[in-house]
Amino acid sequence: AQSVTQLGSHVSVSEGALVLLRCNYSSSVPPYLFWYVQYPNQGLQLLLKYTTGATLVKGINGFEAEFKKSETSFHLTKPSAHMSDAAEYFCAVSDSGYQKVTFGTGTKLQVIP
Amino acid sequence: DGGITQSPKYLFRKEGQNVTLSCEQNLNHDAMYWYRQDPGQGLRLIYYSQIVNDFQKGDIAEGYSVSREKKESFPLTVTSAQKNPTAFYLCASSTRQGGYTFGSGTRLTVV
Repeated sequence: AQSVTQLGSHVSVSEGALVLLRCNYSSSVPPYLFWYVQYPNQGLQLLLKYTTGATLVKGINGFEAEFKKSETSFHLTKPSAHMSDAAEYFCAVSDSGYQKVTFGTGTKLQVIP
Repeated sequence: DGGITQSPKYLFRKEGQNVTLSCEQNLNHDAMYWYRQDPGQGLRLIYYSQIVNDFQKGDIAEGYSVSREKKESFPLTVTSAQKNPTAFYLCASSTRQGGYTFGSGTRLTVV
């Protein structure tokens, strides 16, 4: 069975500082990995995904994530936080792109002016 | 523009009442999903469907029912058997390449 662990339910950063949101996964097969963002009372929006190939994945809004198989991690980073980045972020894993996806419990990012 | 439409945005249910949440997509995606979101618990899968006229139970299907008569539509019924239905419900669709497209959600409250 696949699972996702997001370390830290709340993360605070100063505007302009590095954003680092941690995600570790478990999967019995090579995983598909995703990061989604959710603004209040809205659906989730795909930030980026890893399927195969290059382990450093670039997404929208300046975010990127690196797949590290040896560490079973897929941490999300952004060099400089912006106020508009304040939202909840979800890491997710699936055994293939077409199969049901398992989500982490989410990390709420607060950006301090 | 293509996307997923969920309606209504807010829904109030009385005790013992069945309610149906609508989900329509014009993305030509084969697979559709229903998730329930509660604070601090992430998203939990209720039902999913990969082709028309076929669907499978997810992790928390008890008290819910679905149908998939058309590729574009995947309505969710919250029955009176669901004892704690107050939550935010999200519908999603996907292609074989992966990555969900989500609707904007329906917030259901029991009154």
